Amino acid sequence: ETGVTQTPRHLVMGMTNKKSLKCEQHLGHNAMYWYKQSAKKPLELMFVYSLEERVENNSVPSRFSPECPNSSHLFLHLHTLQPEDSALYLCASSQWVSELGYGYTFGSGTRLTVV
Amino acid sequence: DAKTTQPNSMESNEEEPVHLPCNHSTISGTDYIHWYRQLPSQGPEYVIHGLTSNVNNRMASLAIAEDRKSSTLILHRATLRDAAVYYCILRDSAGANNLFFGTGTRLTVIP
Repeated sequence: ETGVTQTPRHLVMGMTNKKSLKCEQHLGHNAMYWYKQSAKKPLELMFVYSLEERVENNSVPSRFSPECPNSSHLFLHLHTLQPEDSALYLCASSQWVSELGYGYTFGSGTRLTVV
Repeated sequence: DAKTTQPNSMESNEEEPVHLPCNHSTISGTDYIHWYRQLPSQGPEYVIHGLTSNVNNRMASLAIAEDRKSSTLILHRATLRDAAVYYCILRDSAGANNLFFGTGTRLTVIP
């Protein structure tokens, strides 16, 4: 399988649940990202990992916890979420190089609904 | 990152060319111009990028103004599958490697 794969595609969870989103890339990239896309809002960058090290955390609440065990896998662990956290969560990967001609490859996202 | 301005929405007839404008009057000399698009129910996908010269690839063409304060993404023959939100993004080669999205232009293709 090629590209960036996200699972599950859809997730409904209660506010007291704990769940995890998974992202896997088969492109040989060394950087991975989590974005959040709420209805009628631009994509918001949440976390950035380069060479499995977290290099950026854009003021994301602690109820979102990322994990990058290796350069091919990225997880987003969720606990005690709020209804306003309902959104499309997108994973992306890229080569981490100074030449910014390399594009990002995105997955299709996980549509999360918090009830 | 410098800011870009795009129209909220545009319409095009199928099989006609589409010119999607982007203004970036505060662009710096080290900013690359990137275009992505997001089809319904999918993540964004890379379309094209450039620095100073016009660029062509199998998806589109990118025309960059001589002063670099604006650019235009050109779809030569719009198809229904081109209906998407198109994002124009500036990325500073000297800065962070991150990609920040604005609100983009929603393109509707009319059969």
